[in-house]
Amino acid sequence: DQQVKQNSPSLSVQEGRISILNCDYTNSMFDYFLWYKKYPAEGPTFLISISSIKDKNEDGRFTVFLNKSAKHLSLHIVPSQPGDSAVYFCAASAASGTYKYIFGTGTRLKVLA
Amino acid sequence: GAVVSQHPSWVICKSGTSVKIECRSLDFQATTMFWYRQFPKQSLMLMATSNEGSKATYEQGVEKDKFLINHASLTLSTLTVTSAHPEDSSFYICSASRETPETQYFGPGTRLLVL
Repeated sequence: DQQVKQNSPSLSVQEGRISILNCDYTNSMFDYFLWYKKYPAEGPTFLISISSIKDKNEDGRFTVFLNKSAKHLSLHIVPSQPGDSAVYFCAASAASGTYKYIFGTGTRLKVLA
Repeated sequence: GAVVSQHPSWVICKSGTSVKIECRSLDFQATTMFWYRQFPKQSLMLMATSNEGSKATYEQGVEKDKFLINHASLTLSTLTVTSAHPEDSSFYICSASRETPETQYFGPGTRLLVL
């Protein structure tokens, strides 16, 4: 039972354009969501998070949008840079679940120069 | 801030031996540490959650006698893979958080290869 899904395994975007990565979840108890970036053979690096009381959070080039009714969140990267090429994981947690993270399957982003 | 280290980064061992992996929070005290494993091209799967001074909470399907977790201090947690077998070969990653629901900060991971 995959509670957090990233349906696009890969995405290619031209440098300078917007990258949009999507994530869907099924558990309505999730109240905290995060995006991590990961390079091969390295641990994930935290990018941005959002609480369920908000619908948008912005940090520099990264913006996360949360649509609770659709149980959907997205990460926007503008403008995309070649250094953004990595695997992006969304994660969700719930206060009722002792805040443990459930990770999506990841989306490999490739930014073309 | 919020740096987490893991040691070793790579380990190759013979089947039947035990391997210990250390996870340290370098610049903060971690009330909670988490252990994950990741198989190639798959997501990170939580193995267990540990709080300093108490027993770890294991996820369903994770053998607690095989994967021993010790959270001895607010900056150190260890995962020992006992009697390792080739199917235990994986990428093991720890994370630490100051307090829930604080963001988890991940270590660089340890790649284990059991021959």
